[in-house]
Amino acid sequence: DVKVTQSSRYLVKRTGEKVFLECVQDMDHENMFWYRQDPGLGLRLIYFSYDVKMKEKGDIPEGYSVSREKKERFSLILESASTNQTSMYLCATIRGGGGGNTIYFGEGSWLTVV
Amino acid sequence: AQTVTQSQPEMSVQEAETVTLSCTYDTSESDYYLFWYKQPPSRQMILVIRQEAYKQQNATENRFSVNFQKAAKSFSLKISDSQLGDAAMYFCAYRSGGQGAQKLVFGQGTRLTINP
Repeated sequence: DVKVTQSSRYLVKRTGEKVFLECVQDMDHENMFWYRQDPGLGLRLIYFSYDVKMKEKGDIPEGYSVSREKKERFSLILESASTNQTSMYLCATIRGGGGGNTIYFGEGSWLTVV
Repeated sequence: AQTVTQSQPEMSVQEAETVTLSCTYDTSESDYYLFWYKQPPSRQMILVIRQEAYKQQNATENRFSVNFQKAAKSFSLKISDSQLGDAAMYFCAYRSGGQGAQKLVFGQGTRLTINP
């Protein structure tokens, strides 16, 4: 069965802390994505990666960075967490190739910054 | 850049009745895919239905169907015989058909309530 695992479901962090959100997939997919979900705004793309060590900015990359050292793992990093980064974060993966491939989502990580 | 707009933040319907959720999008591409996703309280995103832009026939999955109007760039979702389990957030999404990372672009979401 397909799996996209976000290891931390619920986190509470203090302002200024460095935060790591991890996403692991077992499907050998080339493409991985980090989205942020906020009420009334839908899902907005933060960063994506189409290969190991490759990354591209999405629509709202400010305050975030990413790391992809291995194909199965895509990490989202908040260098210095701020209260406006309190949100739910969703990881997603797609196999490379045409646009008709199925996208798979993780279960989400709820982050509260106090 | 592509954009997706859902103009109905909330909708409600009586159980067993029919409801239509609206979605419009903007693109200059000719090859793309459109999706409706359901997100129940568990937050797991579930694919409801998808439509290939090159197909004229509207997609259907059991009680779920779409009205795809390519010229108007409209992609509405019709849920027939609404059930309590249909209550969720619904997101409309767009994805380019070209090669590459093919990121999904989402609308703002519509929260659907089913009244018993």
